[in-house]
Amino acid sequence: GAGVSQSPRYKVTKRGQDVALRCDPISGHVSLYWYRQALGQGPEFLTYFNYEAQQDKSGLPNDRFSAERPEGSISTLTIQRTEQRDSAMYRCASSLSLGTSNSPLHFGNGTRLTVT
Amino acid sequence: QKEVEQDPGPLSVPEGAIVSLNCTYSNSAFQYFMWYRQYSRKGPELLMYTYSSGNKEDGRFTAQVDKSSKYISLFIRDSQPSDSATYLCAMDSSNDYKLSFGAGTTVTVRA
Repeated sequence: GAGVSQSPRYKVTKRGQDVALRCDPISGHVSLYWYRQALGQGPEFLTYFNYEAQQDKSGLPNDRFSAERPEGSISTLTIQRTEQRDSAMYRCASSLSLGTSNSPLHFGNGTRLTVT
Repeated sequence: QKEVEQDPGPLSVPEGAIVSLNCTYSNSAFQYFMWYRQYSRKGPELLMYTYSSGNKEDGRFTAQVDKSSKYISLFIRDSQPSDSATYLCAMDSSNDYKLSFGAGTTVTVRA
């Protein structure tokens, strides 16, 4: 079946531009997560949603980062006024139900963001 | 100091060898422990999940958690070339998938 789909696969943008990264979770998955993965590092938590409600955004680095999931399905991570330090792989993940003990977290293949 | 430390790689082993991977952590609130496998240019996929201390076996894979030492391990028996990947440990304190990951260990199994 279809997994977590992210687009675009690669995004190159100039410093100062805004970018929007899209995540289409597995159909029916309640929870959706955004992680950021630097080269040679593990993913770092950014934010997550249960249905359309943003439950926790404590991992967002600063107020240039925001995320939404208005209808409880597709999510968009937006980075305003991009900086070179924002360059990383941005990964979306979803799970069928709430909680680690109930269902595994499925990761997408990510969006590689490069800010020049 | 990072919350989760993972033994640096890379590891290169011959086919059939036992692979041993380890992580230590500092947050005593962690209760849920996971190992993810990540192939090149792909997202991490869950390999093993363990709650609290103890051992868990699944085929050729064994996960061990020692909360008293804040130490977790993953063993891969009879390793195969298809096991070549980066292995990431991950931990959760509140059962909500706000995971803290290790940096990952890259393993190559030579045929």
